[in-house]
This record gives sequence, structure tokens and C-alpha cells, in this order.
Amino acid sequence: AQSVTQPDIHITVSEGASLELRCNYSYGATPYLFWYVQSPGQGLQLLLKYFSGDTLVQGIKGFEAEFKRSQSSFNLRKPSVHWSDAAEYFCAVGPGSARQLTFGSGTQLTVLP
Amino acid sequence: NAGVTQTPKFRVLKTGQSMTLLCAQDMNHEYMYWYRQDPGMGLRLIHYSVGEGTTAKGEVPDGYNVSRLKKQNFLLGLESAAPSQTSVYFCASSYLEREKLFFGSGTQLSVL
Repeated sequence: AQSVTQPDIHITVSEGASLELRCNYSYGATPYLFWYVQSPGQGLQLLLKYFSGDTLVQGIKGFEAEFKRSQSSFNLRKPSVHWSDAAEYFCAVGPGSARQLTFGSGTQLTVLP
Repeated sequence: NAGVTQTPKFRVLKTGQSMTLLCAQDMNHEYMYWYRQDPGMGLRLIHYSVGEGTTAKGEVPDGYNVSRLKKQNFLLGLESAAPSQTSVYFCASSYLEREKLFFGSGTQLSVL
């Protein structure tokens, strides 16, 4: 069975600092991987996705993620965090179909001024 | 530019009461989904629909029913609410099955 682990429940960074959110997955074949962001009071919004090809994928809002097959990881990064990035971030894995998508439990990001 | 709209945004029910959550999308999407989000857990799929007039069970369907009589609307019903159904409910839609999901802003439901 597929699964997703986001080891960090809560991360706090200062504005302007770099950010890395961890995501580890378990999946039997080449996975489809996603990062979604949930701002307070809002629904989830897709940041980026990986299906195949270049293992470094660029997303919206200056985020990027790197697929590392050997480590079963898909970590999200941003070189300089803005206060508006404070939100909850979800990693998800699946075979491509939304009905078979498994979401991680989320990482809450707090940004200090 | 509404996207996916959920109503109501908040609701408090007593155990045993019934209610219907409405999800409406204006993007002509074929696929629609209902998820629940609980603290410390990721989103879990309740039911989904691959087109008008179709519905199917997801990961956690017990205690819920759905209907998709019109392409733009996907209704989630609770016939006899239980405290275990206290959660935040999200509706989502997509044009194709492998395309990105568009989410509504959620419904906070409390069952006392």
C-alpha cells in the first residue's frame, strides 16, 4: 500500500530564511508526487507536481521540489521565505488518478518577522 | 471567477440529525470529490464522481451518501450524524482524472 510521511508537524522559520519541508513516500512503482498548500481558511492549492523527467521541478510562488528515488523523498524547498508563505503544506503520492491519491498529514509553517 | 464553492462554511449538528453539503463548480469539470480532513491526518477521500449521474466510494464512505444530478453540483449527505463525523469537509474537482485538483474553501462541521 502507498503511504506518505511528513516527519515535521510544525516548522518555524524567519522571513528571508531558506526552507525545506520533508516528504517521504512508499510506493511500488514510479509515483506521481504533489505538493499542495493550504492557507488559513482556504482550500488546498497545487504548488507543483512530478510525473516523470527532470527530478527537480519548479512550482508556483518560488517553490521547487526534488524527487530522489534512492531516498524515496520529494522535499519541498524555497530559498527565501515570505510572511505570506505561512500555511500548511501537504505532500501527496499516487499512481496519477486523484481517486487513488494519498495525502500526508501536513506540515504547519510559521514565519517569524 | 468562483471556481469551487462550498456551502455552508460552518454547521453544528446534534447527533442523529441530517444535513447536506453542497459543492458547486463552474469550470465544467467532469470529476468531483469529497474529502474529510482531521487533525494530524491528511485528506481522506469519502466519495467521488467521474461524471454527471455517477458516484463511487472512496476510502471512508461509511455514514455518507452523495449525488451528482447535475454536472456542476456534487452533494454530500449525512443521514444520521455522529460525533465521529466532526471534521472539515473539502470538495474538489478536476477536468481530467490526472489533472490537478481545484479545492473549495471547506465546511467546518461539528456534531455534538
